[in-house]
Amino acid sequence: EAQVTQNPRYLITVTGKKLTVTCSQNMNHEYMSWYRQDPGLGLRQIYYSMNVEVTDKGDVPEGYKVSRKEKRNFPLILESPSPNQTSLYFCASSSSGELYNEQFFGPGTRLTVL
Amino acid sequence: GQNIDQPTEMTATEGAIVQINCTYQTSGFNGLFWYQQHAGEAPTFLSYNVLDGLEEKGRFSSFLSRSKGYSYLLLKELQMKDSASYLCAGLDSNYQLIWGAGTKLIIKP
Repeated sequence: EAQVTQNPRYLITVTGKKLTVTCSQNMNHEYMSWYRQDPGLGLRQIYYSMNVEVTDKGDVPEGYKVSRKEKRNFPLILESPSPNQTSLYFCASSSSGELYNEQFFGPGTRLTVL
Repeated sequence: GQNIDQPTEMTATEGAIVQINCTYQTSGFNGLFWYQQHAGEAPTFLSYNVLDGLEEKGRFSSFLSRSKGYSYLLLKELQMKDSASYLCAGLDSNYQLIWGAGTKLIIKP
């Protein structure tokens, strides 16, 4: 089944404790992206990747890191989480970032930073 | 600046028709998407418009007017399962998506 998976689905952590949210897709998509979604705000892009070893900042990259060492994986790293990073996070992928193509979203990771 | 505007919330009755509007301002324009998002779930693709006019897909239709910077999503024969948020997103000249905050649609029996 074609899908985007994220782990963990739910996470409660404390300020300053490094964490990684994994994202994997099995559709051989070039383009992958991370979003956060907060009440009353639209999806805001954190980072995106057009292909392996190519990553770029989105609208809200501060406090986050990403890597794209393999085509299928695009982990999101919070080196020192803070309470303002409490949010719902979505990973998405599509077959190309430069042409129209729908994005497929993972199920989401609900992160709470205390 | 770039901006997507859509109503925060709408209410409609089961079996009726509802139109969700979206106005956009983007740097360049390469199309407009509509996604559906049920509470606590991931967004799922509904439609993409890049040319003016109406695109129909079953009970859902999407309309675009590029000259007016305007789109709408039309849902017919509403069902309770259509209760969800509907996200409008514009694709700018760099092929980056600019997302609206979403319209929460409440369906009443």
